[in-house]
Amino acid sequence: GAVVSQHPSWVICKSGTSVKIECRSLDFQATTMFWYRQFPKQSLMLMATSNEGSKATYEQGVEKDKFLINHASLTLSTLTVTSAHPEDSSFYICSGISHGGIQETQYFGPGTRLLVL
Amino acid sequence: DAKTTQPNSMESNEEEPVHLPCNHSTISGTDYIHWYRQLPSQGPEYVIHGLTSNVNNRMASLAIAEDRKSSTLILHRATLRDAAVYYCILRDESNYQLIWGAGTKLIIKP
Repeated sequence: GAVVSQHPSWVICKSGTSVKIECRSLDFQATTMFWYRQFPKQSLMLMATSNEGSKATYEQGVEKDKFLINHASLTLSTLTVTSAHPEDSSFYICSGISHGGIQETQYFGPGTRLLVL
Repeated sequence: DAKTTQPNSMESNEEEPVHLPCNHSTISGTDYIHWYRQLPSQGPEYVIHGLTSNVNNRMASLAIAEDRKSSTLILHRATLRDAAVYYCILRDESNYQLIWGAGTKLIIKP
């Protein structure tokens, strides 16, 4: 299957700081990328969908000014958690899909664990 | 979005087959049935998907009922590494979003 990487794999930060998480598709061009959040013992919750070169579409209840998404190229999307607070501590997962190719299945990154103190 | 119903958890013995059921009685004609699994502290991993016919790949088999209102993921010979949460998801091919349910936590006993 296709490979998606995330960096960093885990991060600890102080309340009020911003954290950037990178998501890269390593062996395919991801025309669409998704960002999810997962709290302990819960399922994945879709935060936003982004298409390369255009603004992300956020799910209801997700603050677009707090969770900045930039899908700058077909292989890179970034999620910036601005002014992070302890309630933002979670497992953040990205996925990518390549429209029209065999990778129409979503392929997921390994996740980034964020702990805000 | 059409919803799926799965048992919260299942147990199986190592090296035995495992049948993970999923009900999706409100499935529409264009919904594909996707299965993913998530190992602890990892991102989800694609397992298999199908539309109407049964499907096989190196990881598993997917058996789809004739009326498409249910499906079963079959792991032919479970190993300890198959212990994970398995998600059955319906996806309309016009919309690439995946809507995640609670999944089935599969426990493999040695």
